Amino acid sequence: DAGITQSPRHKVTETGTPVTLRCHQTENHRYMYWYRQDPGHGLRLIHYSYGVKDTDKGEVSDGYSVSRSKTEDFLLTLESATSSQTSVYFCAISQGASYEQYFGPGTRLTVT
Amino acid sequence: SQQGEEDPQALSIQEGENATMNCSYKTSINNLQWYRQNSGRGLVHLILIRSNEREKHSGRLRVTLDTSKKSSSLLITASRAADTASYFCAPSANDMRFGAGTRLTVKP
Repeated sequence: DAGITQSPRHKVTETGTPVTLRCHQTENHRYMYWYRQDPGHGLRLIHYSYGVKDTDKGEVSDGYSVSRSKTEDFLLTLESATSSQTSVYFCAISQGASYEQYFGPGTRLTVT
Repeated sequence: SQQGEEDPQALSIQEGENATMNCSYKTSINNLQWYRQNSGRGLVHLILIRSNEREKHSGRLRVTLDTSKKSSSLLITASRAADTASYFCAPSANDMRFGAGTRLTVKP
């Protein structure tokens, strides 16, 4: 999968707890993205990064924060998880904003 | 932001038949991309067509783009059971957004 890994692959957590998902790439791509996928909504962009320490919000960023301290790692944090954040989360990378994106295998998060 | 809308939402065909999926979008684009997603997996890039191109081929895939109508189509010829997946278009300008996709089922 184009040198992208996500961890953990599955997680069950309780409402109100913090959760951090990690995306790691070995491709040295400049752009990294976090999406969530829910039935009937397709993929929705949460946050993206266009370089180390450079991030911006997507269409569903409320309740999420991100950090990128190294080219290869992009972290997604749910400060206080809610049941509405139960979803499958995908990380993607690309060389530029309009370039093809390569996706990781996904993380299934369940908030009880 | 730019977002594609795929049509139909679901498509069921027999193996060997052709499958056509359509995509519409609202604003100017640099390119338009198509992706496939098998159940439970990440999306896989299929093909990119630039705004100055009208048609592009890749194996059994044919993509057309009509920028005057702001629409694109993906044709899969001689479909196989392994083509069963969801297909997404992604119009791209300064950013890229995915629609809800077309769910294609190819029956053996």
